[in-house]
Amino acid sequence: GAVVSQHPSWVICKSGTSVKIECRSLDFQATTMFWYRQFPKQSLMLMATSNEGSKATYEQGVEKDKFLINHASLTLSTLTVTSAHPEDSSFYICSVTSPRALLNQPQHFGDGTRLSIL
Amino acid sequence: DQQVKQNSPSLSVQEGRISILNCDYTNSMFDYFLWYKKYPAEGPTFLISISSIKDKNEDGRFTVFLNKSAKHLSLHIVPSQPGDSAVYFCAASKKDGGATNKLIFGTGTLLAVQP
Repeated sequence: GAVVSQHPSWVICKSGTSVKIECRSLDFQATTMFWYRQFPKQSLMLMATSNEGSKATYEQGVEKDKFLINHASLTLSTLTVTSAHPEDSSFYICSVTSPRALLNQPQHFGDGTRLSIL
Repeated sequence: DQQVKQNSPSLSVQEGRISILNCDYTNSMFDYFLWYKKYPAEGPTFLISISSIKDKNEDGRFTVFLNKSAKHLSLHIVPSQPGDSAVYFCAASKKDGGATNKLIFGTGTLLAVQP
């Protein structure tokens, strides 16, 4: 069964609106979750590491004020794309890793959210 | 700076034959490598992984080979099946100063297995 639930799966909205994407860990408590973005025919690019109870760690070039991450519980992280513009249109994917993750335990990915900004 | 590269954007093989997907990396600090399979509009699914201290890991039809001196790894699928048709990503991991391990993904290879 699914380990990670991501919602919504598809969002279409007008430019200037804010969009919230939820990522839930279903099988275990996740102190760490990751948010990725994938443009068409490109690689998955890590945007940020979401840490339960503390601030997210953003990768170089990712605007933290643009992509707000909240990891308020051990099973839920949210990514809010604020004042979204057409260039933010992309496929956003979250992943979770267990608290006792060993080096050889893979990250479990959600099914992604297709965001289309008109 | 693409630290993990998959130079073949696509690969087509006949059912029953071997599929070989290649991946090169530049960062010698990577200590773990993984292969993921991805269908359109879905998240990646973990396939197989290998530690940098090994040169081969096998799981059923999937075998991953690692050549550290060449900074190269490959995924072998044999025999290939039509259901294997998907985009395959290799990913590399290194310690990030803590318990979490970031993944750096390659650009993916679209595998098409012809019946």
